[in-house]
Amino acid sequence: GGIITQTPKFLIGQEGQKLTLKCQQNFNHDTMYWYRQDSGKGLRLIYYSITENDLQKGDLSEGYDASREKKSSFSLTVTSAQKNEMAVFLCASSRTGQDTQYFGPGTRLLVL
Amino acid sequence: QQQVRQSPQSLTVWEGETAILNCSYEDSTFNYFPWYQQFPGEGPALLISIRSVSDKKEDGRFTIFFNKREKKLSLHITDSQPGDSATYFCAASLSNYNVLYFGSGTKLTVEP
Repeated sequence: GGIITQTPKFLIGQEGQKLTLKCQQNFNHDTMYWYRQDSGKGLRLIYYSITENDLQKGDLSEGYDASREKKSSFSLTVTSAQKNEMAVFLCASSRTGQDTQYFGPGTRLLVL
Repeated sequence: QQQVRQSPQSLTVWEGETAILNCSYEDSTFNYFPWYQQFPGEGPALLISIRSVSDKKEDGRFTIFFNKREKKLSLHITDSQPGDSATYFCAASLSNYNVLYFGSGTKLTVEP
């Protein structure tokens, strides 16, 4: 088994601020993902990475940067937080050749 | 264009009843369809999945019915329990392709 850890659990930011979210996994999975979850809209893919230093854009990549520093970690940066933005950012990982994605508990973002 | 649609948005059933959650998709090349279950404050977790070569997949009280011609599938939860109260997401992808497209979810409440 393994676990995905996301930090911080809650993040409160100011409009225009650059905010960074971090994700660590100990599954030894190759592929990692960042999703955004808005109430009533399901999960939308922001970025994914199939190996260290690789980045692939999802449908929602505008306004975000990502970094895969090493196999076990994947960071997401909100480049300029939008006022009244409220969402949950979910990190996930999967093994190459396997379809199942394993999710972390999420980071809850609120922008004042 | 939304690739995966779910209905209803919310569903309430009594304990012991069968809950039916519906899903449809756009891309006829999709061949892998997982259902994820999410409890409040947690990340989604894989519940059950089906590949397009099958028309039915059963796992205990959970059954997926798949209609390739109509591009529809449904999740049946028999003998529903209060502990099944959660949000259920249907997703679709090309197997081994990494990118999952999620529906907007169905919030299920099972009343005792």
